[in-house]
Amino acid sequence: GQQVMQIPQYQHVQEGEDFTTYCNSSTTLSNIQWYKQRPGGHPVFLIQLVKSGEVKKQKRLTFQFGEAKKNSSLHITATQTTDVGTYFCAGPRNAGNNRKLIWGLGTSLGVNP
Amino acid sequence: KAGVTQTPRYLIKTRGQQVTLSCSPISGHRSVSWYQQTPGQGLQFLFEYFSETQRNKGNFPGRFSGRQFSNSRSEMNVSTLELGDSALYLCASSYLAGNNEQFFGPGTRLTVL
Repeated sequence: GQQVMQIPQYQHVQEGEDFTTYCNSSTTLSNIQWYKQRPGGHPVFLIQLVKSGEVKKQKRLTFQFGEAKKNSSLHITATQTTDVGTYFCAGPRNAGNNRKLIWGLGTSLGVNP
Repeated sequence: KAGVTQTPRYLIKTRGQQVTLSCSPISGHRSVSWYQQTPGQGLQFLFEYFSETQRNKGNFPGRFSGRQFSNSRSEMNVSTLELGDSALYLCASSYLAGNNEQFFGPGTRLTVL
């Protein structure tokens, strides 16, 4: 079945370093969504990418959707301690006549001050 | 608008008991999805309801069930609790069904002893 793989599973960086997490799907996605979950919190929607090759920026965060719409990345420039958390990607999968989101396992980011 | 609310926030049960969790979506949202989250397992999809109908179901045993009411509020029930059911249960609402942006509630932390 369709899977969404995320790498790396964990990463620790020094504050100020850059960070990238990658999301790869076995099939083409109509869109990809990114969420952030702070420790002890719940996932919060960050962004949705729809178009092939799309790049969107939110301050220090840059999101890309691959040309084949099978992969995506989230890049954080100059990490801060406020970036700590787990970043999830999710893409829709056809389930019969319906669609449901398939989630990656997340990348847990630690930032050392 | 008020966010997604879940009750109770914390719950302790013993094996064999049953539990009912409640979720009130954002006003106007008709889709409610339920997820189980355990450390290292990411977000495991339980089911999605839209307009009182179950649209999608994840790979969980029949002990896990849910329903949605006409006001879009949803409940999930777990019968014959097992130790492995200890997890954070998250509810997410969205305006449309399927693959749209999800707004998560704070979750219910269930501990089974």
